[in-house]
Amino acid sequence: ETGVTQTPRHLVMGMTNKKSLKCEQHLGHNAMYWYKQSAKKPLELMFVYNFKEQTENNSVPSRFSPECPNSSHLFLHLHTLQPEDSALYLCASSQGPRGGGTEAFFGQGTRLTVV
Amino acid sequence: QKEVEQNSGPLSVPEGAIASLNCTYSDRGSQSFFWYRQYSGKSPELIMFIYSNGDKEDGRFTAQLNKASQYVSLLIRDSQPSDSATYLCAGTQGGSEKLVFGKGTKLTVNP
Repeated sequence: ETGVTQTPRHLVMGMTNKKSLKCEQHLGHNAMYWYKQSAKKPLELMFVYNFKEQTENNSVPSRFSPECPNSSHLFLHLHTLQPEDSALYLCASSQGPRGGGTEAFFGQGTRLTVV
Repeated sequence: QKEVEQNSGPLSVPEGAIASLNCTYSDRGSQSFFWYRQYSGKSPELIMFIYSNGDKEDGRFTAQLNKASQYVSLLIRDSQPSDSATYLCAGTQGGSEKLVFGKGTKLTVNP
């Protein structure tokens, strides 16, 4: 198994749909992250969870709703998205500052297209 | 706004040459810096991290950090066509685990 696994790899959804992205890490890390990667823009941090608690919400619109039921799983619930939300959504994990390391390891990403 | 700046390139070098990738950052509180490699259509892959001033070597890769000048660089020796990718520089936002990324530099190594 790879360290950080994301599903689905590709997703096409209409603006009225509701879908969820899933991320699972097998590295024993304490922190998990959602990033958005759009063309010609830097990776944008969306949410940070440390020990299942959300510690960062980087001014993300409410149509993106994260959920972290435990330190190994992270979800991103999507509803009423806009075409400009089409991007690569990347999940990452790290030991976190209390774990002594901030190196983040990324999943394969979900390529999201909103039509 | 804490920023990490990279020359977007593209940077083109011949096979066997040294590729030099540079990055500057604005947050003096940043403690840790990372270089990621991202192949087209793939996710970023961590290749180097550096916390202390000076050089850190790992195989063909050398990361350099100068906190006084607020720059980080990555040298790739004996560049190979398989090194062709976009290289992302990232730094922690002062005192936190939050990573701030640059836009990335696209490197092409020509056979």
